[in-house]
Amino acid sequence: DQQVKQNSPSLSVQEGRISILNCDYTNSMFDYFLWYKKYPAEGPTFLISISSIKDKNEDGRFTVFLNKSAKHLSLHIVPSQPGDSAVYFCAAIDSGTYKYIFGTGTRLKVLA
Amino acid sequence: ETGVTQSPTHLIKTRGQQVTLRCSSQSGHNTVSWYQQALGQGPQFIFQYYREEENGRGNFPPRFSGLQFPNYSSELNVNALELDDSALYLCASSEVAGEGDTQYFGPGTRLTVL
Repeated sequence: DQQVKQNSPSLSVQEGRISILNCDYTNSMFDYFLWYKKYPAEGPTFLISISSIKDKNEDGRFTVFLNKSAKHLSLHIVPSQPGDSAVYFCAAIDSGTYKYIFGTGTRLKVLA
Repeated sequence: ETGVTQSPTHLIKTRGQQVTLRCSSQSGHNTVSWYQQALGQGPQFIFQYYREEENGRGNFPPRFSGLQFPNYSSELNVNALELDDSALYLCASSEVAGEGDTQYFGPGTRLTVL
């Protein structure tokens, strides 16, 4: 049972445009969410997080939106740059166990 | 401040063998979590250690075991290796084992079981 889902395995975006990566979750016990970026041959790198008491968190070009009623979060990257090309994972923390539950990832390709 | 390091980078074993993977946590971090990432999948939680005690476990059989040392470095041991154990094994450290505490990942160890 996949509790955190990233339904788009890949996404291509032109440089300078907006990239929107989506993530859905099923467990209402999740109340803290994170996005990680992963380059080949490297471990995931923390990007941005959001607590369930917020609906938006912004850090430079990266903004995460949380819609608790829809159990949906999204990561917006504006403007997209070729260096943003990577696999993006969303993760949720189970507040009962503190386990991180990851989605399957979305491969973003930013075209120059 | 040094980040999370893992060794070895790559490893090839045969079915039935045993393997030990190592992780040094980021300076100041006392919690280490281990993940298995199969091809095309997200990282799957194996277990977490907090101050040398196991602090949570995912759906992995007992042949996956671990240790955390007083300096907060950690080992993942896998006995009786199976072909399906071939994966990238990631270690992540955090300051405390708690909600909202960000985990920082090492580069991973790629294990191939033949």
